Amino acid sequence: DQQVKQNSPSLSVQEGRISILNCDYTNSMFDYFLWYKKYPAEGPTFLISISSIKDKNEDGRFTVFLNKSAKHLSLHIVPSQPGDSAVYFCAASAQYSGGGADGLTFGKGTHLIIQP
Amino acid sequence: KAGVTQTPRYLIKTRGQQVTLSCSPISGHRSVSWYQQTPGQGLQFLFEYFSETQRNKGNFPGRFSGRQFSNSRSEMNVSTLELGDSALYLCASSFRDSLSEQYFGPGTRLTVT
Repeated sequence: DQQVKQNSPSLSVQEGRISILNCDYTNSMFDYFLWYKKYPAEGPTFLISISSIKDKNEDGRFTVFLNKSAKHLSLHIVPSQPGDSAVYFCAASAQYSGGGADGLTFGKGTHLIIQP
Repeated sequence: KAGVTQTPRYLIKTRGQQVTLSCSPISGHRSVSWYQQTPGQGLQFLFEYFSETQRNKGNFPGRFSGRQFSNSRSEMNVSTLELGDSALYLCASSFRDSLSEQYFGPGTRLTVT
């Protein structure tokens, strides 16, 4: 049973527009969430994270929103640039809630394509 | 600062054989985690080592094992290879533990025939 779900395998967005990548989770013990970006032939690169005590975290063009009641988080990229084309992974962990440190649980990724 | 390195980058093995993959973390990082990435299952956590001790383990059979050396370098071993073990194996290091921001290596692509 997938505990972290990214329901859109791919997403196409025009350059300059906003990209919104979504992620849902089922484990209520998750309290720390991360987004990773992956280019072909490279390992994932950490992008941004958010703790469950917050509902928003911003870093430059990247903003992550967390809706705990809906068990949903999203990554907003504004404005989208061609270099943002990559696979984006959502990951979650139970860091502070005593749920056990089982490493990160990843979604299956969303392939973001930025069109010129 | 050099990144996480993994060797070899590509490997082809036959069913029933065993394989050892190596990971050198970023200097100063003491935690090393291993992940398996397949198209069907995505990224799945294998295990994490910290100061030469396995701290966490994912839901994989005992054929998957690992170890960490005093210099934090880690190896992962898979015995009695099966076709389903074909995957990209990623190693990630972090300063403190597997729950902090991890830095991933490029991975080892294992193909089992």
